[in-house]
Amino acid sequence: EAGVAQSPRYKIIEKRQSVAFWCNPISGHATLYWYQQILGQGPKLLIQFQNNGVVDDSQLPKDRFSAERLKGVDSTLKIQPAKLEDSAVYLCASSLEGLTYEQYFGPGTRLTVT
Amino acid sequence: GDSVTQMEGPVTLSEEAFLTINCTYTATGYPSLFWYVQYPGEGLQLLLKATKADDKGSNKGFEATYRKETTSFHLEKGSVQVSDSAVYFCALTPNAGGTSYGKLTFGQGTILTVHP
Repeated sequence: EAGVAQSPRYKIIEKRQSVAFWCNPISGHATLYWYQQILGQGPKLLIQFQNNGVVDDSQLPKDRFSAERLKGVDSTLKIQPAKLEDSAVYLCASSLEGLTYEQYFGPGTRLTVT
Repeated sequence: GDSVTQMEGPVTLSEEAFLTINCTYTATGYPSLFWYVQYPGEGLQLLLKATKADDKGSNKGFEATYRKETTSFHLEKGSVQVSDSAVYFCALTPNAGGTSYGKLTFGQGTILTVHP
């Protein structure tokens, strides 16, 4: 069974530029999560999708971050414009159905904002 | 709100040494507790879990016991191997049955390096 795929694995941009990350969850997984992991901290949930609907985006900085999950499969997380404090690893995870601790994580995208 | 605190790291051990990584938590009621592991270049994966007080989770030689009286969930292994080198995260989720059950709160992670 293929795992959660993410791309790119690394990205370096200058502040005020925009960037997008892509995630392909495990086939059949209805729930998709995006986490932000700042160096030295644990992952923090940014947004949770159930199929193509948003369930929880309470910790998503909506002035600069956006996310979509078209057709309930792949998802894209965008930052525009980026700030220095956005430097982090962005993790995507998926689970079969609903909010559950049984989440399967991708390898992450490491973003550096200079 | 809920929070998880892990011991300061990183931790460096020789092969076959005993491992303890401390984890304490703050939460209302009886959360479920977890240890996740992230091997180099891979995604986080669930290592073990305990869903009620005094439960012991175990997997791959690792163990952790849910101690309600000390709000702790320390990770232990009797004899570590080089292949155990990874980042370990303690995490919790609120009480089962609540609307937030499954929402994970992570500690800051502890880097473990095991030398031959």
